[in-house]
Amino acid sequence: AQSVSQHNHHVILSEAASLELGCNYSYGGTVNLFWYVQYPGQHLQLLLKYFSGDPLVKGIKGFEAEFIKSKFSFNLRKPSVQWSDTAEYFCAVSSNTGKLIFGQGTTLQVKP
Amino acid sequence: DVKVTQSSRYLVKRTGEKVFLECVQDMDHENMFWYRQDPGLGLRLIYFSYDVKMKEKGDIPEGYSVSREKKERFSLILESASTNQTSMYLCASSERQGAGNEQYFGPGTRLTVT
Repeated sequence: AQSVSQHNHHVILSEAASLELGCNYSYGGTVNLFWYVQYPGQHLQLLLKYFSGDPLVKGIKGFEAEFIKSKFSFNLRKPSVQWSDTAEYFCAVSSNTGKLIFGQGTTLQVKP
Repeated sequence: DVKVTQSSRYLVKRTGEKVFLECVQDMDHENMFWYRQDPGLGLRLIYFSYDVKMKEKGDIPEGYSVSREKKERFSLILESASTNQTSMYLCASSERQGAGNEQYFGPGTRLTVT
């Protein structure tokens, strides 16, 4: 069965610190991978996605993620976080039918 | 710009009541989804629909049903609400069936069952 695991449930960083959020998935077929973000009081929105090609994917607001097939991982990174990055982050994998399987989510708190 | 709207942001219902959560999308998307979001559990799929009058169970369908009479509207029904259905409910839509399609989410309905 497909599953997604996010290693960190709650991360606290100071502004300008670097961020890496872990995501591992379990799926036997071709994967499509997503990171979604939910800012306080806002809709869940797409941060970035990987379908094929370059395993380093760039998204909005300076975020990037690297697909490492051998490690079944799709970690999210940002070199320097801002207070406005405070949000909940979800990793997801898509099946052939378009269903998304989400991880448990990681709450990021950035201290000014 | 895709817009997914949900009928209520906050809802309080009593145990045993029948509850309707409505979702409307304005982009002619084929697929629509209902999730519930709980702390530490992420989003879990309740039901989804690939076309009008079609529905498929997700991972946690027990206690819920859905209706899709029109392409743009997808309703989630709690036949007899229980306290363990207190949660945030998110509706989403995507363009068509297939692995690579981004899902667009509504603002969510926070349901409290007392």
